[in-house]
Amino acid sequence: GAVVSQHPSRVICKSGTSVKIECRSLDFQATTMFWYRQFPKQSLMLMATSNEGSKATYEQGVEKDKFLINHASLTLSTLTVTSAHPEDSSFYICSARGPNTEAFFGQGTRLTVV
Amino acid sequence: DAKTTQPTSMDCAEGRAANLPCNHSTISGNEYVYWYRQIHSQGPQYIIHGLKNNETNEMASLIITEDRKSSTLILPHATLRDTAVYYCIVNVYGQNFVFGPGTRLSVLP
Repeated sequence: GAVVSQHPSRVICKSGTSVKIECRSLDFQATTMFWYRQFPKQSLMLMATSNEGSKATYEQGVEKDKFLINHASLTLSTLTVTSAHPEDSSFYICSARGPNTEAFFGQGTRLTVV
Repeated sequence: DAKTTQPTSMDCAEGRAANLPCNHSTISGNEYVYWYRQIHSQGPQYIIHGLKNNETNEMASLIITEDRKSSTLILPHATLRDTAVYYCIVNVYGQNFVFGPGTRLSVLP
């Protein structure tokens, strides 16, 4: 199947700093990308949806100024967690789909804020 | 909210078929049934999807009832590596997925 690469797979950062997570579609053009967050023993929760070249649409309760999403090309989307705090520690997962493909998921990024 | 109902957990003996049920009684005519699975600390993996007809691929088979209100994912010969959380999702093509709690399948040796 199609490949979505997410980087880094895990990151530890200090409280107050920003962290950028990259999501790349390797063999198809991702017209839409989704960002999810998953806390321990819970299911995936959608944070935002982004279409290439457009501003992201955020789900209710997700702060757009804290979770900056950029989808500047058909193969790359980034999520930046700004001024991270320990409560932002979570498993972040991206998903990408093209015009004629199913949604494929990245391997996830485990963020730990200390 | 997820539009599907799945059992919380299931066990299956290694080498036997694993049959995972899903209820989606409010499914709309243009909504597909998708199955993904998530192995611990990894991103979800696409398994299969269907609209009305039964589907089969190298990973699994999907059986959808005629009224489309329920479906069953079948892993024909479960292995230990099939231990995962399995998500059944109904979705209009192109829209985002809403994940429920899924079914935690444990394949036992």
